[in-house]
Amino acid sequence: ETGVTQTPRHLVMGMTNKKSLKCEQHLGHNAMYWYKQSAKKPLELMFVYSLEERVENNSVPSRFSPECPNSSHLFLHLHTLQPEDSALYLCASSQTESYNEQFFGPGTRLTVL
Amino acid sequence: SQQGEEDPQALSIQEGENATMNCSYKTSINNLQWYRQNSGRGLVHLILIRSNEREKHSGRLRVTLDTSKKSSSLLITASRAADTASYFCATVTGSARQLTFGSGTQLTVLP
Repeated sequence: ETGVTQTPRHLVMGMTNKKSLKCEQHLGHNAMYWYKQSAKKPLELMFVYSLEERVENNSVPSRFSPECPNSSHLFLHLHTLQPEDSALYLCASSQTESYNEQFFGPGTRLTVL
Repeated sequence: SQQGEEDPQALSIQEGENATMNCSYKTSINNLQWYRQNSGRGLVHLILIRSNEREKHSGRLRVTLDTSKKSSSLLITASRAADTASYFCATVTGSARQLTFGSGTQLTVLP
């Protein structure tokens, strides 16, 4: 148990659906991250939030929309996804945006039909 | 672009043996980190080594860093079946301001 929780753990959605992934950290950290992990590919950083402000957006398609209402919660809103978006989506947090140790949640396994 | 490359991609050993995994990277780093991931789960931080350090230990883990060769190794001594997982190196560079992960080594420890 790393202190970072993610819901749901599994999600199956059609290409026309809208869904949201939720991440919550109980560690008092100020930075939160979304990563995408596809089969046989390295972990890809999607978004970085520091003190609730987005500081990094790694050329992620607009069908992925992050939201960070406070330093403990992070959402990833999904709409009109493609089958190639099927992956494990991991949330992480760290004390500051210092790129030292990051704490990861268990991930949401997303399948887009 | 990918910064860290782990080698080998897969490693299978008997319980009690040592496991060594290597990571090579391309550009100068601030620090290098190793993470473990059990199947379908999140990553767990194992150890961080800074660019001015050459070796660090944590329990049964030993990490070395050779900045001249742009490489690092992770040694797990006296392996256990519970060490079965994927192991990733991740680098932090001053300009990139992010953790860049390699593709990982899948370690299987047979009982």
